[in-house]
Amino acid sequence: ETGVTQTPRHLVMGMTNKKSLKCEQHLGHNAMYWYKQSAKKPLELMFVYNFKEQTENNSVPSRFSPECPNSSHLFLHLPTLQPEDSALYLCASSQETGKGNSPLHFGNGTRLTVT
Amino acid sequence: LAKTTQPISMDSYEGQEVNITCSHNNIATNDYITWYQQFPSQGPRFIIQGYKTKVTNEVASLFIPADRKSSTLSLPRVSLSDTAVYYCLVGPYSSASKIIFGSGTRLSIRP
Repeated sequence: ETGVTQTPRHLVMGMTNKKSLKCEQHLGHNAMYWYKQSAKKPLELMFVYNFKEQTENNSVPSRFSPECPNSSHLFLHLPTLQPEDSALYLCASSQETGKGNSPLHFGNGTRLTVT
Repeated sequence: LAKTTQPISMDSYEGQEVNITCSHNNIATNDYITWYQQFPSQGPRFIIQGYKTKVTNEVASLFIPADRKSSTLSLPRVSLSDTAVYYCLVGPYSSASKIIFGSGTRLSIRP
């Protein structure tokens, strides 16, 4: 149990299905993150939320739509996708951004396959 | 942004001590050094973090020289379950975009 739970663990979808990835953290943290990890590539930061407000968008295509209704929940809505979006999507949380040494706590990810 | 360099891969045997060194020549004054471990199809797991000198926890030790331009993660008496990718990250947690995950070190432990 990592304290950060992601669902579903696996998702196979066509380019025009509408699905959402869900993340929930049980650590009392105030910052939440989405990362993308493609095969044989380093983790790429996508979005950062601090106290429910988006503070960073790392030049992510607009077809990815994040939502953070509260500090414990984070969603990534996927209305339309491209095959190159197939990857492991990782959610993380930390106490809050701006604190000097608050490490990231990751979930185990959602493996997304776009057909 | 502080860039890190670490070996692409390392091999060792069960019961040995493994030291993985990371260089970060342009580390800034307010940067922390953090190591993560990642198993296949799982998220990275925090191992240890330090700012200077030596830090030890139940899993590993982190050695940081006075100039802070490098750091060494030490795993005592490794087992097969320590086979994973290890990431060295440097940055201020004031901004996640300033903390870059590189390719990490793929550690393989053999019987």
